Amino acid sequence: GAVVSQHPSWVICKSGTSVKIECRSLDFQATTMFWYRQFPKQSLMLMATSNEGSKATYEQGVEKDKFLINHASLTLSTLTVTSAHPEDSSFYICSARQGPPFVNTEAFFGQGTRLTVV
Amino acid sequence: QKEVEQDPGPLSVPEGAIVSLNCTYSNSAFQYFMWYRQYSRKGPELLMYTYSSGNKEDGRFTAQVDKSSKYISLFIRDSQPSDSATYLCAMRVSGSARQLTFGSGTQLTVLP
Repeated sequence: GAVVSQHPSWVICKSGTSVKIECRSLDFQATTMFWYRQFPKQSLMLMATSNEGSKATYEQGVEKDKFLINHASLTLSTLTVTSAHPEDSSFYICSARQGPPFVNTEAFFGQGTRLTVV
Repeated sequence: QKEVEQDPGPLSVPEGAIVSLNCTYSNSAFQYFMWYRQYSRKGPELLMYTYSSGNKEDGRFTAQVDKSSKYISLFIRDSQPSDSATYLCAMRVSGSARQLTFGSGTQLTVLP
């Protein structure tokens, strides 16, 4: 399957600082990328959907000013957690899907980033 | 009621057993059905991807979709300890930018 690389795999930061997570599609062009959050022993919760070159669409209850998403190229999307607090500690996962003509192919996931805010 | 229901388990089976994992859903517009395997502290890995109703087999894994009953299954034959993971069903409607709707995941342990 296609490869999606997410970096870093884990990060510890101090409360009040910002953290950037990168998601790269290594062998395909990703028109659409998705960002998820996952709490222990729970399923994935979609945070936002981003299409290359346009603003991300955030799910209800997700603060767009806190979770900044940039999808500036067809192979890279970034999630920045601004002014992080301990309650933002979680496992963040991105996924990417090819664009047309591969409109019905499936999304592939990155390895995830474990964020701990202290 | 959630759009996708999945028994969270945990499910423990002996090595070599046949494992059956299931999800039910309520949205009849779902057309694409997936099973992902997620190891602890890792991202989900796509196992099976099916379109509409029918069966699909890949090695020890068989995915079944019954759209009339809104029910999907994943069977694992000759289960191995390395199959121990959380299995997530996911589905979506047609369209390139459509998001996935996930089940809650079933935690499987295969005992040696």
